[in-house]
Amino acid sequence: QKEVEQDPGPLSVPEGAIVSLNCTYSNSAFQYFMWYRQYSRKGPELLMYTYSSGNKEDGRFTAQVDKSSKYISLFIRDSQPSDSATYLCGGRPGGATNKLIFGTGTLLAVQP
Amino acid sequence: DTGVSQDPRHKITKRGQNVTFRCDPISEHNRLYWYRQTLGQGPEFLTYFQNEAQLEKSRLLSDRFSAERPKGSFSTLEIQRTEQGDSAMYLCASSLLGDEQFFGPGTRLTVL
Repeated sequence: QKEVEQDPGPLSVPEGAIVSLNCTYSNSAFQYFMWYRQYSRKGPELLMYTYSSGNKEDGRFTAQVDKSSKYISLFIRDSQPSDSATYLCGGRPGGATNKLIFGTGTLLAVQP
Repeated sequence: DTGVSQDPRHKITKRGQNVTFRCDPISEHNRLYWYRQTLGQGPEFLTYFQNEAQLEKSRLLSDRFSAERPKGSFSTLEIQRTEQGDSAMYLCASSLLGDEQFFGPGTRLTVL
């Protein structure tokens, strides 16, 4: 079982739709949770991060973490064609490690 | 541009050859990370440096792989006796003190 599970998609939505991307994780020691966006053949770009359960908002993006159910979500409001990319969720386990553990990524296509 | 830079962006080599990649982190970032990403997967952690000290290595980093950060600035990742299974995107990331890791554009390696 992977430490972070993510539906690979693809997910196709019309422009302006609300997008919901979801992940689950198995390691209850995760302390840091993040979402990256990755365009084709580019490096991942940090979108949002949080350390606690609850919601964190940044413009059209809301990250949500539920530590009790080990659930990580990203909501995108008023989706745009430029949001078409792969979205990677993940976290950092507790303890001395500094590595980030990623899901497989969800490919999102926003149709104009 | 003051982001993470990687060189080369693409490398094609024959099986059995050695290859070396370079990463220049964001200026003043003391932490540097190497990840590997294969098609349809999220990045997988390889190794981590704080300044010039290599503090963490994944078991993915076989004895054919070696990474250095001699002066605590740029880093190199060398793969000896390349195998077809080494074909992947090699990503470098850097951070200052916290968990936010900023990725470079990656080096795409193809082993024929």
